[in-house]
This record gives sequence, C-alpha cells and structure tokens, in this order.
Amino acid sequence: DGGITQSPKYLFRKEGQNVTLSCEQNLNHDAMYWYRQDPGQGLRLIYYSQIVNDFQKGDIAEGYSVSREKKESFPLTVTSAQKNPTAFYLCASSLQPGHLNEQFFGPGTRLTVL
Amino acid sequence: QKEVEQNSGPLSVPEGAIASLNCTYSDRGSQSFFWYRQYSGKSPELIMFIYSNGDKEDGRFTAQLNKASQYVSLLIRDSQPSDSATYLCAVNELRGSGGSNYKLTFGKGTLLTVNP
Repeated sequence: DGGITQSPKYLFRKEGQNVTLSCEQNLNHDAMYWYRQDPGQGLRLIYYSQIVNDFQKGDIAEGYSVSREKKESFPLTVTSAQKNPTAFYLCASSLQPGHLNEQFFGPGTRLTVL
Repeated sequence: QKEVEQNSGPLSVPEGAIASLNCTYSDRGSQSFFWYRQYSGKSPELIMFIYSNGDKEDGRFTAQLNKASQYVSLLIRDSQPSDSATYLCAVNELRGSGGSNYKLTFGKGTLLTVNP
C-alpha cells in the first residue's frame, strides 16, 4: 500500500528531553511538510522540504529541527528549546511543490510533555 | 499575516439536508484552494480542490470559488451522519520569490454535525 506513515502514534516526553518523530512516505513525492495542531486550532507549518538535502523554516520553526537525507524520510526533532511542545504533529507530502500542491497527511503523532 | 477565516461552528444540519461551509482568505494572489475533512482524533483527508472560478462537483460535494470576493465554499448534498467532522479550508499561497515557493495556510475549521 502506498502512503505516509508516522511513528510513534503516542509519545510522552519529560521536560528537557529531545524527541524525534518519524515520517516515511512511499508515494515518490518530492515535497514533505511538518505541521502542528493544537486543540481548536488550524494547522501551523513547522518545516518543509521541497527536495532531498534541502528544507525551509515554516511559521513556527523555533525549538524544532529536521533533516531530509532521503526522499522517503523527513524526521522531526522536538528539542528542549520548544517551550510548549504538547500537540498533535502531522506530516504531509505532495508530489511536487507548486500551485496545485495537493498535500496528503499521515496519521499523526500525539506528543505529551509530562 | 495572510489569513484564512472559517466560522468555527458548530454547524448543525438534519440528515438529508445541504450543508454549506464557507471560507474567506486575505491573499488576492492565492491560486488554489483545498477542502479537508478531519474526524475527531484523526488526521485531515483531502476532499477536493479548486483553482478556477465557479463550481466543481465531485459526488455529493461541490466546491465554489469566487476570487473577486476572496471566498470559497463547500456544499455537501444529502448530508449523512458520517459527514459529521471538522472541515478545514486551506489556501495555497506564494511565499517569497522564486515562483515555486507555495505553502498551504489553513483555517481553524468548521465543526459540522449531521443529526439523524
């Protein structure tokens, strides 16, 4: 089956710890994205990558880091510098960045800071 | 800050009725518009997109776009209880230079409840 997978589904973090969220896609999409969703809020863009070995900051990049070493993978690290990391994290991909830009989402990772 | 506005709802309609969901956006340069459905606790799923003025129909769903008024809507005909979800409007906006640096900006969503 083609699609986007995210792991883990649920993640608990102690304050001061870094954690890494996995995102993998086998759709052969060029572009990948990370969003954060808080209760009652829309999706906010954290980072995006249009091509391997390149990525750009989104609207709320502070406290997060990413890498794009392979086309299929776009992991997100939530660092201890992120002051309010509890949220639902969504990874998405699109065939190519551009004005059509249909983005398809993975199932999400729910991160809770204890 | 470019904005996408949606009525948060809840919008409540009886089963079989037409549900009308609305969205306005601030960036006149936006070229494409997307509707996503998100069930509680799940990730968004793409319903349809539109980029030309007018109507686009797909089954029970019709997207309507009016670029002059900066307005996009989604109509759901013959609403079913399974349509109960939050509907997110997303606008593809050109950010920065280069001609290919597009990003989706999402509204906060409208909660739709279809009553049996």
